[in-house]
Amino acid sequence: DGGITQSPKYLFRKEGQNVTLSCEQNLNHDATYWYRQDPGQGLRLIYYSQIVNDFQKGDIAEGYSVSREKKESFPLTVTSAQKNPTAFYLCASSKGLANSYEQYFGPGTRLTVT
Amino acid sequence: RKEVEQDPGPFNVPEGATVAFNCTYSNSASQSFFWYRQDCRKEPKLLMSVYSSGNEDGRFTAQLNRASQYISLLIRDSKLSDSATYLCVSGGTSYGKLTFGQGTILTVHP
Repeated sequence: DGGITQSPKYLFRKEGQNVTLSCEQNLNHDATYWYRQDPGQGLRLIYYSQIVNDFQKGDIAEGYSVSREKKESFPLTVTSAQKNPTAFYLCASSKGLANSYEQYFGPGTRLTVT
Repeated sequence: RKEVEQDPGPFNVPEGATVAFNCTYSNSASQSFFWYRQDCRKEPKLLMSVYSSGNEDGRFTAQLNRASQYISLLIRDSKLSDSATYLCVSGGTSYGKLTFGQGTILTVHP
């Protein structure tokens, strides 16, 4: 079955450490996205990518970095520069970048930084 | 003003009831709209897309009113399993950018 996987489901880190969240999709989707969700708020876009080796900043890219070395994989690194990293991180993908395409989500990673 | 606004609820309804949610959007150029449902501590899952005059899928009906810039979701014959948070989503004019509302909480009780 095709889908999006994220690992780990829960992640705990000490303040000042960088941490990388995994996102893998086998849907053959060109576009992929990273969002964060905080309690009582809508999803906010961090980064997105349409093709390999190319990606764009979303609304809240500061303190984050991504790479897209292959189509199936789009890992997100939360750096120590991110002031409030504790959140629910969701990876999504769609056939293409046009807004008419539905986005499908992975199960998410809950990151807690203390 | 937020780009997408929803009444956060919560809506508490009995099984079998009909419930409707409204969502307003500020970008008049938005072309695509979606409803997602999100269960507690899970990822959002696509419920339905809303194009032109809206659409229907079983007990769920979505409507789009461009003049007033709102979309609605109607759920008929509510089931316990419909309990979730419903996210209204607008696709604006920027490629790849979907704007999510904060969600409306629905609880269906016996």
